[in-house]
Amino acid sequence: EPEVTQTPSHQVTQMGQEVILRCVPISNHLYFYWYRQILGQKVEFLVSFYNNEISEKSEIFDDQFSVERPDGSNFTLKIRSTKLEDSAMYFCATSSGNQPQHFGDGTRLSIL
Amino acid sequence: GDSVTQMEGPVTLSEEAFLTINCTYTATGYPSLFWYVQYPGEGLQLLLKATKADDKGSNKGFEATYRKETTSFHLEKGSVQVSDSAVYFCALSEGGGTSYGKLTFGQGTILTVHP
Repeated sequence: EPEVTQTPSHQVTQMGQEVILRCVPISNHLYFYWYRQILGQKVEFLVSFYNNEISEKSEIFDDQFSVERPDGSNFTLKIRSTKLEDSAMYFCATSSGNQPQHFGDGTRLSIL
Repeated sequence: GDSVTQMEGPVTLSEEAFLTINCTYTATGYPSLFWYVQYPGEGLQLLLKATKADDKGSNKGFEATYRKETTSFHLEKGSVQVSDSAVYFCALSEGGGTSYGKLTFGQGTILTVHP
C-alpha cells in the first residue's frame, strides 16, 4: 500500500536554528497537510496546501513557518528560527481529494 | 469553533473484553467523522469513517455510528485483542466538495489490552 514518507524521523536542533522537515506524498495525492502533536497534547492542524498555495492555516502557523513543494514531489515545512516550544511530533498528511487523509510516521523535533 | 472530546484514558482491558471509547463533537455544519489509530512508533492510520448521520463505519471488528442527535461517534469492539493496544483518536472534518479539509482531533485515548 502506498505510504506517506517523512524525513528525518528525529531532528535535534539548537534554539534559533532553522529546520526543514520533509514529506514525500503518495503519488496521485494533491492535498497536503501538516499537523503537530506536542507531547501529551492533541494533534493540532497547522496548514493545508493545494495547487501550490496555502489553502488554510491555523493561528499556530505564524511567520516563523513556511511550506513549499519545490520540486513537485517533496512537501516541506520550514521553521525559520526555532523556539523551545516548537518541540513536538510533526505529521504530514496527504489526500487525493474527497478521501481521508493518509499520515506519515512523523518527525520528532527536539529543540535544545 | 469545531471541537472533539474523547473519554478520559487510559483504558486497560483484558483480552476478549468489550471496548467502548466515547467521542462527542461540536461543529457548525455537518462534519465527516473519523477514528484514527496510532500504534507505537507509527503514524496515524485511518480506522473507520462516517460521512453523514446514521452512517456506521466499520473495520477490523471496530464500529462507530454517526449520531447527529447526540453529536456522538463512539468507538466499539466486541472482543479486543492484545494487538489492539494503541492510541485511538476521534476526529472531524467540515470539508466538502473536493476535499475533506483539515482534521480536528480529540485528545486521544490510550488502550492497553492484557492477555
